Amino acid sequence: SYELTQPPSVSMSPGQTASITCSGDNLGTKFVYWYQQKPGQSPVLVIYRDMQRPSGIPERFSGSNSGNTATLTISGTQAMDEADYYCQAWDGTTGVFGGGTKLTVL
Amino acid sequence: EAHLVDSGGGLVQPGRSLRLSCAASGFTFDDYAMHWVRQAPGKGLEWVSGISWNSGKVAYADSVKGRFTISRDNANNFLFLQMNSLRSDDTALYYCAKDTGDWVGLDYWGQGTLVTVSS
Repeated sequence: SYELTQPPSVSMSPGQTASITCSGDNLGTKFVYWYQQKPGQSPVLVIYRDMQRPSGIPERFSGSNSGNTATLTISGTQAMDEADYYCQAWDGTTGVFGGGTKLTVL
Repeated sequence: EAHLVDSGGGLVQPGRSLRLSCAASGFTFDDYAMHWVRQAPGKGLEWVSGISWNSGKVAYADSVKGRFTISRDNANNFLFLQMNSLRSDDTALYYCAKDTGDWVGLDYWGQGTLVTVSS
């Protein structure tokens, strides 16, 4: 079965740029979606189709996908960005999530 | 704006059944695929099942195939998940989620309903 791999944690100081990676076999041939989940809340879609931002998502969130790796980039990280982030892709009709990355803003 | 309300969770013994419901409002329900995603306590997200707008396409994670059945009632804007032969590793918060189209991104999520499988 298809697998997506994320680093368990990333730490960043406020104002810095955070990059969260998601790796999978030939991932660049699939669309990747990114979700933000804060404690006790439902996930929120922050990037769809590799690099598109839904309405209401700040411009500091961006995405890319090439080769075997997709990347979520948060420019000028803010304290409110501290959350778990999950990448997701479709393997045919089967949904696959990465294990999640906990972003800590120190 | 789309609004999803999950319900039907609870404590159930191993081997028993449970039916989850998701009430949808604020959007044209039968224009979109819908999905169930679960999250075990302290763990990550796991996609469970999806259904197309007209129920013509359904899919399941290997972990639930043959035990769970997804369905929808477009007349009344409901999504369902029939869960049979429940196991302890099915214990999780179950979310229904709206697709942005047909197996694209999941742009609206319910609040989740907790299923606990234990004797």
